[in-house]
This record gives sequence, C-alpha cells and structure tokens, in this order.
Amino acid sequence: DAGVIQSPRHEVTEMGQEVTLRCKPISGHDYLFWYRQTMMRGLELLIYFNNNVPIDDSGMPEDRFSAKMPNASFSTLKIQPSEPRDSAVYFCASRPVGAFFGQGTRLTVV
Amino acid sequence: AQKVTQAQTEISVVEKEDVTLDCVYETRDTTYYLFWYKQPPSGELVFLIRRNSFDEQNEISGRYSWNFQKSTSSFNFTITASQVVDSAVYFCALSERGGSNYKLTFGKGTLLTVNP
Repeated sequence: DAGVIQSPRHEVTEMGQEVTLRCKPISGHDYLFWYRQTMMRGLELLIYFNNNVPIDDSGMPEDRFSAKMPNASFSTLKIQPSEPRDSAVYFCASRPVGAFFGQGTRLTVV
Repeated sequence: AQKVTQAQTEISVVEKEDVTLDCVYETRDTTYYLFWYKQPPSGELVFLIRRNSFDEQNEISGRYSWNFQKSTSSFNFTITASQVVDSAVYFCALSERGGSNYKLTFGKGTLLTVNP
C-alpha cells in the first residue's frame, strides 16, 4: 500500500482565493483525520470522519473551513476564502492507532 | 481535558551520546494510548510507538527505548548512541478512550539536534 496520499504537496495562493487540499487514505481504514501544524499552535486536530461521516469538527477554526469525505477513498479540506493566517502544514491521517500520516500539504497564503 | 507536555523545547547532543526526551501527560480516563512520532527535516510524521495505559512494560526497539510510568504520568523516550540521522522534532501524543476512535493530542515537540 502506498500509504496516505495528500495533494498537492505545496500550495501558494493569494488571499481570498479558494484552496482545496486532497487526501487518499489507506485502503480499508475507516477513520480519517485532518490535522494542521503551525509554529504557534503546534499540531491540532481539525476534523475527523468515521465511515465517511464527520464525527467531530470542533477543531475547524471558522466557517471558511469545510471538509468532505464523499467516499472511503477520498477526502477534501477546503478553505474559502483563504487568509494569510491559514498558512500552515495540513496533514491527513487514517486510523489513529499508529495513525498513518500523509506527507502533508504546505499551504502559503500571500 | 487531555494534555501533553514536552518541557524540553530543544536538545543538542554529540553523536554517540544517549539522550532522553521527556513526556508528561494529563488525562481523566483510565483507558488511553500514548504515542511517539518523529518529524525529520523533510516534514513527514513517522510513527514510532504506541503504548496502552494497561501496559507499563518498558519497550526497546534497537537504539530506541521507552519508559512508561503511570505513577508519574510520564512516557519518556531514550535514544542510545545517538546518530546524526536522529536529528528531528519528536512529538509525544495522547489518545483517550482506547485510542482507536479518538483524536490525538500532541505535545509541542522537542527538537533534537545530533552533532557529528
């Protein structure tokens, strides 16, 4: 298995633009997590899904953030409109027991 | 609420030295999991170990060892005979209620630099 796959690896966008981050979890894993890493706040959970259903989105910072999991093999995290303070590395992970993390997407909003 | 504290922000050692990274956690649950992750300069998060709250046995994996002490709520990580490739940020994390289904709460991380 190729592991958790995230795309793009790097994204630079202008303030106000919509940004979509993508994640393909490991096949058969029924939990998917989105984390954000910043210098100020460290690693924090944004949202997680179980069997494609959002279970806890209390970490989503504002309404500008939304996440979907239309099927077991794909999830998106969307920011609309993006702001400079959204600049961070966003990680997707499946199955927290040994949570398998993707390589992350480094987002820069200028 | 669960909390993980890694008091050491940065540690610098010379190759072949032993180094211990500290992790102290807080939780009200009796069932929980503790984790260590490595984040090398390339940025990915690499899973190192998971330990459940009912298993206080120390674990050794090559040059790595972990000391879990419920009495002091600590889960410390020791690297023996450190190598330059061990240079990374190391995160301790906690998952409550069995760990299978719930979020990870991470410490702030410890930056380890191993100098040649």
